[in-house]
Amino acid sequence: DIQMTQSPSSLSASVGDRVTITCRASQSISNYLNWYQQKPGKAPKILIYAASSLQSGVPSRFSGSGSGTDFTLTINSLQPGDFATYYCQQTDRAPLTFGGGTRVEIK
Amino acid sequence: EVQLVESGGGFVQPGGSLRLSCAASGFTFSGYWMAWVRQAPGKGPEWVANIKQDGSEKYYLDSVKGRFTISRDNAKHSLYLEMNSLRAEDTALYYCARDKVMGPTVFDYWGQGTLVTVSS
Repeated sequence: DIQMTQSPSSLSASVGDRVTITCRASQSISNYLNWYQQKPGKAPKILIYAASSLQSGVPSRFSGSGSGTDFTLTINSLQPGDFATYYCQQTDRAPLTFGGGTRVEIK
Repeated sequence: EVQLVESGGGFVQPGGSLRLSCAASGFTFSGYWMAWVRQAPGKGPEWVANIKQDGSEKYYLDSVKGRFTISRDNAKHSLYLEMNSLRAEDTALYYCARDKVMGPTVFDYWGQGTLVTVSS
């Protein structure tokens, strides 16, 4: 199975900050990497697919990059509604594994 | 508006069975792969199974193979997950998710989830 490792597991940031979350795959997954946002009591929401493609309706302050084993989710100018937990997911091969999550908290 | 509504969760003893259902609306159900994803309390999401548009391909998490069966009824716009020989570690909120038309997986719509609790 492909293991997905996210870092950090949590971070504190202020509104307006730029936030970067990393995700590392245990083997190369090309660009088969999605990013989701989850708020408490809600289902995950797709933000980025295929490593860098912004899902329709998602604000442009969210961006993704990377290929192979190393990927990054960047949130430019953090907004109050962005405080949530973020998960990466590899879709290269079954089982379709998720990372452990990064909780973004208010500083 | 795309809607996915899960039902069928509940409390069951180890070794028991449950059948989850997901009613889909607002899109051409027969045109999409569909999936079940679960999330244990305080944990991240875990993909469980997915199924091709016509049901001809199904894939499962290793730990549920032989115990869980994913199926669909395109005429009823419904997705199902038959769960047998349930274990305590199957306790989770189970989400129905819309998957791709083709190409790499993208879970772009999710239901609200149905809770499965396995305990003696």
